[in-house]
Amino acid sequence: NAGVMQNPRHLVRRRGQEARLRCSPMKGHSHVYWYRQLPEEGLKFMVYLQKENIIDESGMPKERFSAEFPKEGPSILRIQQVVRGDSAAYFCASSPVRQRTDRTYEQYFGPGTRLTVT
Amino acid sequence: DAKTTQPTSMDCAEGRAANLPCNHSTISGNEYVYWYRQIHSQGPQYIIHGLKNNETNEMASLIITEDRKSSTLILPHATLRDTAVYYCIVRAPALLNDKIIFGKGTRLHILP
Repeated sequence: NAGVMQNPRHLVRRRGQEARLRCSPMKGHSHVYWYRQLPEEGLKFMVYLQKENIIDESGMPKERFSAEFPKEGPSILRIQQVVRGDSAAYFCASSPVRQRTDRTYEQYFGPGTRLTVT
Repeated sequence: DAKTTQPTSMDCAEGRAANLPCNHSTISGNEYVYWYRQIHSQGPQYIIHGLKNNETNEMASLIITEDRKSSTLILPHATLRDTAVYYCIVRAPALLNDKIIFGKGTRLHILP
């Protein structure tokens, strides 16, 4: 059973370019989360998506960042006009469909995409 | 979600049991205790979780005190590959607000 896949694993962009990070959830999972880890800092939640819906984007920067999880294909985190401060590791996690409201569900993380902005 | 407190770092000799403590004195009745770890440069890895009872799986054991205000993650026979940052997280069931809030965790060093 393949785990969460992310690509590319490493991405180098010049300031002002666009970065597209892709995440394929585990088979059978329909919930995707994106987290960011700045150098020497902790993991911070960015956005939570279900197929074709953004559920919680409270951690997303207001400008330049967007995320989608289309009906077909991977989830995409898009960063427009990247700046040096966007250099970080971006992790995607997935969890299964919620069948009960009285329990929590584990999130399984991918290996991350390391974005370097030069 | 309740706040957790963990030691900043710990050392453990290879082959010994590593016991990682976590305080969560404000935990609510429906909140679960989760443990994740992050080995250097890798994605966080789910380890174990529990509500009230002690839990064990192939990776670790989770001991939760009777009042649920603290817990201990036990790695029974630590190896060098267990060197990582370990996060203790408290999570409530939620349909829409299901993000994980990571703290600073405990940096565990396994010594040869």
